[in-house]
Amino acid sequence: AQKVTQAQTEISVVEKEDVTLDCVYETRDTTYYLFWYKQPPSGELVFLIRRNSFDEQNEISGRYSWNFQKSTSSFNFTITASQVVDSAVYFCALSGKRYGGSQGNLIFGKGTKLSVKP
Amino acid sequence: DAGITQSPRYKITETGRQVTLMCHQTWSHSYMFWYRQDLGHGLRLIYYSAAADITDKGEVPDGYVVSRSKTENFPLTLESATRSQTSVYFCASSESSFAAQVAKNIQYFGAGTRLSVL
Repeated sequence: AQKVTQAQTEISVVEKEDVTLDCVYETRDTTYYLFWYKQPPSGELVFLIRRNSFDEQNEISGRYSWNFQKSTSSFNFTITASQVVDSAVYFCALSGKRYGGSQGNLIFGKGTKLSVKP
Repeated sequence: DAGITQSPRYKITETGRQVTLMCHQTWSHSYMFWYRQDLGHGLRLIYYSAAADITDKGEVPDGYVVSRSKTENFPLTLESATRSQTSVYFCASSESSFAAQVAKNIQYFGAGTRLSVL
């Protein structure tokens, strides 16, 4: 079965602190994709990044970086020098070939609520 | 560019009533999805559609009906609403691809519909 675990339910930091959001996944597929989405207080879901199972290179985009480690089935997300605007719920998601007969749907973790205080 | 729009944004209804949530996308994406978001559960797939006139169940389909007569529209109907269907509903779409590649597609989400069943 496919599963995504985000063990951190809520994290609170002070502005300019670095923060890492953990994501651990389970899948039997050899080819799969991992995603991060951001849900700000306004409620919409915003795509942040996609990573395929064959590419273990870390990725950096401005203050955001992602560390994918296949050996530990983890795809962690770090925000450097956090800002108040980073306050949101962050979801990690997994896409595999099949889930209960469907294809291409996302299996979401339960999300981590990040609060960045000024 | 309108992208993907959901209507209504907010809906209050009573137990036993039929409710239809609308989803419209302007990208001509083949795949469309309905998720529900509940505290403690993250997002869970209700139904998905691979193309017009092709739909299939997700993780939590009971009590819901979908149709897809046109590529751009994917309405979700609650035939007889129950209190347990109080939730935030998200529609998503992803681009066309060969079936074997669908797992890699980025899903783009609508703004959500907040439904309360009294």
